[in-house]
Amino acid sequence: QSVLTQPPSVSGTPGQRVTISCSGSSSNIGGNTVYWYQQVPGAAPRVLISSKDERPSGVPDRFSGSKSGTSASLAISGLQSDDEADYYCAAWDDSLFGPVFGGGTKVTVL
Amino acid sequence: QVQLQESGPGLVNPSQTLSLTCTVSGVDITTGGYFWAWFRQRPGEGLEWIGSIYYSGRPTYYSPSLKSRVTMSVDRSKNQFSLNLRSVTATDTAFYYCARGGVVVTATAFHVWGQGAQVTVSS
Repeated sequence: QSVLTQPPSVSGTPGQRVTISCSGSSSNIGGNTVYWYQQVPGAAPRVLISSKDERPSGVPDRFSGSKSGTSASLAISGLQSDDEADYYCAAWDDSLFGPVFGGGTKVTVL
Repeated sequence: QVQLQESGPGLVNPSQTLSLTCTVSGVDITTGGYFWAWFRQRPGEGLEWIGSIYYSGRPTYYSPSLKSRVTMSVDRSKNQFSLNLRSVTATDTAFYYCARGGVVVTATAFHVWGQGAQVTVSS
């Protein structure tokens, strides 16, 4: 049972915009920055974007992040086939005193 | 360019200790004053943080659910940090990753990861 809640899967057609939600509480998302990770099969996760919409170099601006209260969202616009991956949200939890993750959302490009 | 590489036994007997080492290359482990972390991913599941350790070896922070069984350490002479997980059971079977954290333990952006190591607990 993950501390942060994500939908198990989302899908879209090429070019479409999809969003992934991440729900938490005041001890994690409510008070801390949320990071989104992308994990393609067989590879380690990589940081995609933060809830402040800050992305590491090399991450296309088709990815955007936001936060409101105890929920965060990742949006992928102009969906491409190589966006197929698992996406995880993560945030520091002040009560557990450690980073907590969502269960992951599998993005499928139809 | 910083690179991490996990190493250790791929098979561990139940009730024994799982030991993994993460070798840091491309930079001295003390450079930048980072925390270094371990994660695991059980089959078909999400990411789970195991713990973080400061480059100097202290302080350490462990997941509450694993705290009683986990020890992490740093060997600066070998540019490595390690994980020991005691009294393992089949539920500890997972892919284990090491990663570089931030300069504060609350930083949740882990930008550098190892490729991971599969560890199976079975007799």
